[in-house]
Amino acid sequence: DQQVKQNSPSLSVQEGRISILNCDYTNSMFDYFLWYKKYPAEGPTFLISISSIKDKNEDGRFTVFLNKSAKHLSLHIVPSQPGDSAVYFCAASALRGDKIIFGKGTRLHILP
Amino acid sequence: DTEVTQTPKHLVMGMTNKKSLKCEQHMGHRAMYWYKQKAKKPPELMFVYSYEKLSINESVPSRFSPECPNSSLLNLHLHALQPEDSALYLCASSPSGYSGRAGPDSGANVLTFGAGSRLTVL
Repeated sequence: DQQVKQNSPSLSVQEGRISILNCDYTNSMFDYFLWYKKYPAEGPTFLISISSIKDKNEDGRFTVFLNKSAKHLSLHIVPSQPGDSAVYFCAASALRGDKIIFGKGTRLHILP
Repeated sequence: DTEVTQTPKHLVMGMTNKKSLKCEQHMGHRAMYWYKQKAKKPPELMFVYSYEKLSINESVPSRFSPECPNSSLLNLHLHALQPEDSALYLCASSPSGYSGRAGPDSGANVLTFGAGSRLTVL
């Protein structure tokens, strides 16, 4: 049973517009959430994270929103740029040192 | 140095071969991880070493044998693999030991991944 779900396998967005990637989780013990970005033939690279004590964290063009009651988080990228085309993984962990669980990923295509 | 280096990048082996995957980091990270990733699937945790001791084994078959010779190196020894073991093997490290959470936003558990070793078992 998937504890971290990314229900959109792919997403296409026009350059300059906002990209919104969604993630749902089922384990209420998760309290730390991360987004990773992966280019082909490279390992995932850390993008941004958020802990459950916050509902928003922003870093430049990237903002992550957390809705604990809905067990939902989203990553907003604005404005979207061609270099943002990649696979984005949502991940979650619990404070007591549990492993980090990854979602299946969403492939983002930024269209010129 | 902010990288995790994995070698080899590609490995093809037969089912009777013995080979090893290597991982190295010089960031002073105290936890190191092996993940396995198959096509269109998320990375799946295999092993975690914390302070050079094996802290998690996710019920991985014994044909995969991890080794942590020191805090900078992590190996994965492979023996008698099956074709279904073909996958991308990712090494990662994080600043703190596996159970050491310095605080919710400390970044202690943020993983830095290597580029991976793509393994094909014939």
